[in-house]
Amino acid sequence: SQQGEEDPQALSIQEGENATMNCSYKTSINNLQWYRQNSGRGLVHLILIRSNEREKHSGRLRVTLDTSKKSSSLLITASRAADTASYFCAMSSTDSWGKLQFGAGTQVVVTP
Amino acid sequence: DTAVSQTPKYLVTQMGNDKSIKCEQNLGHDTMYWYKQDSKKFLKIMFSYNNKELIINETVPNRFSPKSPDKAHLNLHINSLELGDSAVYFCASSQDRLAGAYEQYFGPGTRLTVT
Repeated sequence: SQQGEEDPQALSIQEGENATMNCSYKTSINNLQWYRQNSGRGLVHLILIRSNEREKHSGRLRVTLDTSKKSSSLLITASRAADTASYFCAMSSTDSWGKLQFGAGTQVVVTP
Repeated sequence: DTAVSQTPKYLVTQMGNDKSIKCEQNLGHDTMYWYKQDSKKFLKIMFSYNNKELIINETVPNRFSPKSPDKAHLNLHINSLELGDSAVYFCASSQDRLAGAYEQYFGPGTRLTVT
C-alpha cells in the first residue's frame, strides 16, 4: 500500500514565487527523503531528513518534518522555470529499513 | 560517466513475448533496486538485491525474474508480457541495504509498451 500522500497533486506558479508541497504518511518512519523527477527522466535525490530532525536546508530547498503529525513539507524558494518537475517524498518505515515507499508526487509547473 | 544506466530506453512489444531490461551502476554501491512507475506516476518497489543476493521481493508476478550476475548489474526478465505490464521501469542503486538511510541513484528508466 502507498505510504505517502502528497498535497497538492499539482501546483502552478510563476518564476520567483515560492512553492510548498506537503507529504503525509501513516506509520512511524526512520528517515524521509525528497526526490525530483523531470519529465521523461529518472528521479534525482534532493534531501534526506532524519526522524530526529525538524528542519533541513539545501540551497533554495527547505524541508520540515513533524513526526507527531506524520507530515513533511518541501519549500522551494524563488522558483525558476528549471524547477518544473514532479516532486516525491519517500520514506522507510521503522519495521522496514530495506525499502523506500514513495508518495504519488506533486507536479510543479513554474511559468517564466 | 553515467552513474546508473539502463537499456533499452524504450521497448515496444506484443503480448505474450519475453523481454529483458539491463541495468548497470558504476558507483560501487552494494544494493540495487527495480521499481515500476505506472501511468499515474506512482512508484513501487519490485525487487532489491544486496551484493547479488535478493533481499526484497514484493508481490510481483513470477513472470518477473531479476538476475544479478555481480553487484554492479541487475537485470529484469519478463515472461509472457501482458498489457498491464506497460509502465516505466526504473533501476536504482544505493550505498547500503538500509534504503531509508541512504539516497538512491536512479537510472533514466525504460518505457515498456505492451500491445
